[in-house]
Amino acid sequence: KNEVEQSPQNLTAQEGEFITINCSYSVGISALHWLQQHPGGGIVSLFMLSSGKKKHGRLIATINIQEKHSSLHITASHPRDSAVYICAVRETSGSRLTFGEGTQLTVNP
Amino acid sequence: DGGITQSPKYLFRKEGQNVTLSCEQNLNHDAMYWYRQDPGQGLRLIYYSQIVNDFQKGDIAEGYSVSREKKESFPLTVTSAQKNPTAFYLCASSMAPLFSGNTIYFGEGSWLTVV
Repeated sequence: KNEVEQSPQNLTAQEGEFITINCSYSVGISALHWLQQHPGGGIVSLFMLSSGKKKHGRLIATINIQEKHSSLHITASHPRDSAVYICAVRETSGSRLTFGEGTQLTVNP
Repeated sequence: DGGITQSPKYLFRKEGQNVTLSCEQNLNHDAMYWYRQDPGQGLRLIYYSQIVNDFQKGDIAEGYSVSREKKESFPLTVTSAQKNPTAFYLCASSMAPLFSGNTIYFGEGSWLTVV
């Protein structure tokens, strides 16, 4: 079993829909990252959070430390949001990141 | 603009050859990392360096080598000992080791294909 599990693996939405991507983890963590991987392969850091909720534009990330679960929400989705979204956790015990397998999001016009 | 530059973007290698992937950053970051990405799998850590002239093996270091002679540069050599080198390679950096709470920055990646 992976230490970081994402769901769904693939998600197709229509433009304007509200999107949720989930991340569950099984280890103690000090922080969780949400990353966006573009079709060309480059990765951009969207959020780093250790508690509560963060918002940036149409993106919202939440984390529940007790339940070991985080969600990434996209409001009013747009075709340019199409990408792979990756959850990564930094374990309490170390300095490395452990990555989920990613969620492929496709937003159709 | 500050960032991480990886080169080449695409590289083809014949079996038995060593190849070196370049990673340069002008963010003044102390820590640098190399990851490998395969279809359907999360990123896996190959090597990381927290300071110049020091580096540690990650989870899949066999068949790879690195050097950190300069703060801004962290090249990765894929040697002929790597049995399945065809993959997407990502370089990353952070201000300090990640347990300090710093975010991580990635390059655009390099596609390596063995022919």
